[in-house]
Amino acid sequence: KAGVTQTPRYLIKTRGQQVTLSCSPISGHRSVSWYQQTPGQGLQFLFEYFSETQRNKGNFPGRFSGRQFSNSRSEMNVSTLELGDSALYLCASSSRQEGTETQYFGPGTRLLVL
Amino acid sequence: DQQVKQNSPSLSVQEGRISILNCDYTNSMFDYFLWYKKYPAEGPTFLISISSIKDKNEDGRFTVFLNKSAKHLSLHIVPSQPGDSAVYFCAASGLTSYNTDKLIFGTGTRLQVFP
Repeated sequence: KAGVTQTPRYLIKTRGQQVTLSCSPISGHRSVSWYQQTPGQGLQFLFEYFSETQRNKGNFPGRFSGRQFSNSRSEMNVSTLELGDSALYLCASSSRQEGTETQYFGPGTRLLVL
Repeated sequence: DQQVKQNSPSLSVQEGRISILNCDYTNSMFDYFLWYKKYPAEGPTFLISISSIKDKNEDGRFTVFLNKSAKHLSLHIVPSQPGDSAVYFCAASGLTSYNTDKLIFGTGTRLQVFP
């Protein structure tokens, strides 16, 4: 089975621009979560989608948004980019089995805001 | 407020010896715990997990111990190998309580295994 894929892998933007990142989950997985990793804050939860619905949201400003499509693929969008948005953005997918659950991560998209 | 804490930012262990990585949590609603390993420029890779109904789970060289009363878990790697050198993240989930896949991560421990 193919793993979680994320595109693009690297991205350079300037302040004020917007960016859209894409995530394709493992086949059969219906849950997709997004995380931001920075040296100072570690891995922080952005939001989670399940069956095209946002099920949970982290503590990030409204500039961060996402959506999930019927094929479970997900996108996240960051508008009005700030320097502090430079980070590794990770997508994870999961499938609940027998009441337990494991998330599998993609390689991430490294975003640099200049 | 850091709900999942890894108080040791780094750990250095000789090859063949045991590596013990520690993690503490504050939220008693967490009922599922995971360990991930992360190499630079890659996404975290799932290692091992444990449900709160257990106190130990073993998978090859990796064993996770959970002490619910102390709100503490640890990952043991025996024997340690140079390829184990990476950053290890502890993560927690309130799976049954919140019906969510949201994970709360610790800040990570960088493990270096030297020959």
